Amino acid sequence: NAGVMQNPRHLVRRRGQEARLRCSPMKGHSHVYWYRQLPEEGLKFMVYLQKENIIDESGMPKERFSAEFPKEGPSILRIQQVVRGDSAAYFCASSPIGGGYEQYFGPGTRLTVT
Amino acid sequence: AQTVTQSQPEMSVQEAETVTLSCTYDTSESDYYLFWYKQPPSRQMILVIRQEAYKQQNATENRFSVNFQKAAKSFSLKISDSQLGDAAMYFCAYRSPDSNYQLIWGAGTKLIIKP
Repeated sequence: NAGVMQNPRHLVRRRGQEARLRCSPMKGHSHVYWYRQLPEEGLKFMVYLQKENIIDESGMPKERFSAEFPKEGPSILRIQQVVRGDSAAYFCASSPIGGGYEQYFGPGTRLTVT
Repeated sequence: AQTVTQSQPEMSVQEAETVTLSCTYDTSESDYYLFWYKQPPSRQMILVIRQEAYKQQNATENRFSVNFQKAAKSFSLKISDSQLGDAAMYFCAYRSPDSNYQLIWGAGTKLIIKP
């Protein structure tokens, strides 16, 4: 059973460009979570999605950030008009149908904004 | 709101010896989940051990065990017979049973293993 997949692993964007981060959950998992990790800090919750639904986006910045988890395909975290402060590691996690307290993490995408 | 505190930014231990990483948390809930995650240089987040607050018995996974003190809101991780591969950042995390998500994380402890 393949783990949570994230791509790209590293992404470099210039200020003002768009960043798209992809996450494919583990097989059989329909809950996806996105977290952001700034240097020297723990992870901060951003958004929780189920297929075609955003359940909780209380950790998402109000502007420039959006997330989706379509019926088919991976979950996408989209950052428009990136700024230097968006540079961070973005982690995706998934959990099984019906939830469950354990979240399985992907390897993360390191976004660098130049 | 719940908070998680890891007061040791860095710890070092001699290979084969035992080390304890501390974690305290603040919550008004009586039931919850606690986790220790390991993040090696590869940056993959790996679950090390978990504890349900309603269980009095401390969780154990091979060389890893916890000392869960519910009244003191303390959740320390003990690593026995430390190995070079244990070198990593270790994060303590909390999850409310009312929330199917939102792991709340400590800032992490960097563990260095001296050969």
